[in-house]
Amino acid sequence: NAGVTQTPKFRVLKTGQSMTLLCAQDMNHEYMYWYRQDPGMGLRLIHYSVGEGTTAKGEVPDGYNVSRLKKQNFLLGLESAAPSQTSVYFCASSYSWAQETQYFGPGTRLLVL
Amino acid sequence: SQKIEQNSEALNIQEGKTATLTCNYTNYSPAYLQWYRQDPGRGPVFLLLIRENEKEKRKERLKVTFDTTLKQSLFHITASQPADSATYLCALRNSGNTPLVFGKGTRLSVIA
Repeated sequence: NAGVTQTPKFRVLKTGQSMTLLCAQDMNHEYMYWYRQDPGMGLRLIHYSVGEGTTAKGEVPDGYNVSRLKKQNFLLGLESAAPSQTSVYFCASSYSWAQETQYFGPGTRLLVL
Repeated sequence: SQKIEQNSEALNIQEGKTATLTCNYTNYSPAYLQWYRQDPGRGPVFLLLIRENEKEKRKERLKVTFDTTLKQSLFHITASQPADSATYLCALRNSGNTPLVFGKGTRLSVIA
């Protein structure tokens, strides 16, 4: 099992460009999450999904959109990147809300110039 | 306002000693609390979960305590080794249908 994988590992964008980060999990988990991690700020939840076709906003959703068209995939989109979105992005998944051990991907480092 | 605080940004400890990391919370009623380990350039890895009705949990050299009166969890690593050097994150799940909330982490360095 690969667990949780993220694509790409690293990306540089110019302000105003768009991109999509892909997260895939092979554990048949219902719940998936996108976090960003910044120095001194810890892990902050951007969006999450409690099942295929559903999404919900987390703590810092502005400037991001997400989609969960297939159970195993969770996409994070930046429509018009800003330097404030420079961060490390982590995807995670969990089996259920009650048994919420989260399994994290390796992260995507994004630099917006 | 709600806060979850790990009150040491960094902790240095001698090999063989017990490392103790603290997680305090304010204005939460946690259903459970978790601890994760994060190595540089990698995603967090789950270590232990302790529920509101549990006082202590152990796993090998790791021990977690949970005091709902003090609103605090302590994370202990006994007989610490240089390989234990990492950032440790606490996270809590508030009662009700809300997502996990993470602390900012404590960077532990175990010196040989």
